[in-house]
Amino acid sequence: AQSVTQLGSHVSVSEGALVLLRCNYSSSVPPYLFWYVQYPNQGLQLLLKYTSAATLVKGINGFEAEFKKSETSFHLTKPSAHMSDAAEYFCAVSDGFQKLVFGTGTRLLVSP
Amino acid sequence: KAGVTQTPRYLIKTRGQQVTLSCSPISGHRSVSWYQQTPGQGLQFLFEYFSETQRNKGNFPGRFSGRQFSNSRSEMNVSTLELGDSALYLCASSAYGGTIQETQYFGPGTRLLVL
Repeated sequence: AQSVTQLGSHVSVSEGALVLLRCNYSSSVPPYLFWYVQYPNQGLQLLLKYTSAATLVKGINGFEAEFKKSETSFHLTKPSAHMSDAAEYFCAVSDGFQKLVFGTGTRLLVSP
Repeated sequence: KAGVTQTPRYLIKTRGQQVTLSCSPISGHRSVSWYQQTPGQGLQFLFEYFSETQRNKGNFPGRFSGRQFSNSRSEMNVSTLELGDSALYLCASSAYGGTIQETQYFGPGTRLLVL
């Protein structure tokens, strides 16, 4: 079975600082990986996904993630944090048709 | 295009009751998945329907069931509610449901509180 591990339940950054949210995966086959964001009292919104076409994936709102097979990682980054980025971020791996296995989430806090 | 809609948005029930939640996928989408989100267990897959057939099921007791109608709308039902069923229930739809890397689009969820 596929799984993902998100390191750090909370990450705090200052506005304008680099955002780095960590995700490591475990998969016996080439994985399909996703990052979703959840704002308070809302559902999940897709930020980006890796489907083996390119190791560096660009998403919405200035986020990107790099797939590193040697490190089994798919970390999410953004060069400059904005207050509106404060939310909870989930890494997920596909484990069959329309079945996602999610990490435990990382809450991003952005201070002025 | 309208997004995934879920009704009701909030629900309060008591232990032992049953509840039905509804999900309308994005127009043209044929696959609907359900997830449960709780502070303790996080996001967990419940089941997925495609063309009115359940194709995949998570590790939940039989009290959790679902169905899909010919117009792709889906309902999930929880019978004999327990306190631990309090959660945010999220529905997601995808266009074809034919590949494992297909994007799922999530609705805003139904927040269920069991007293």
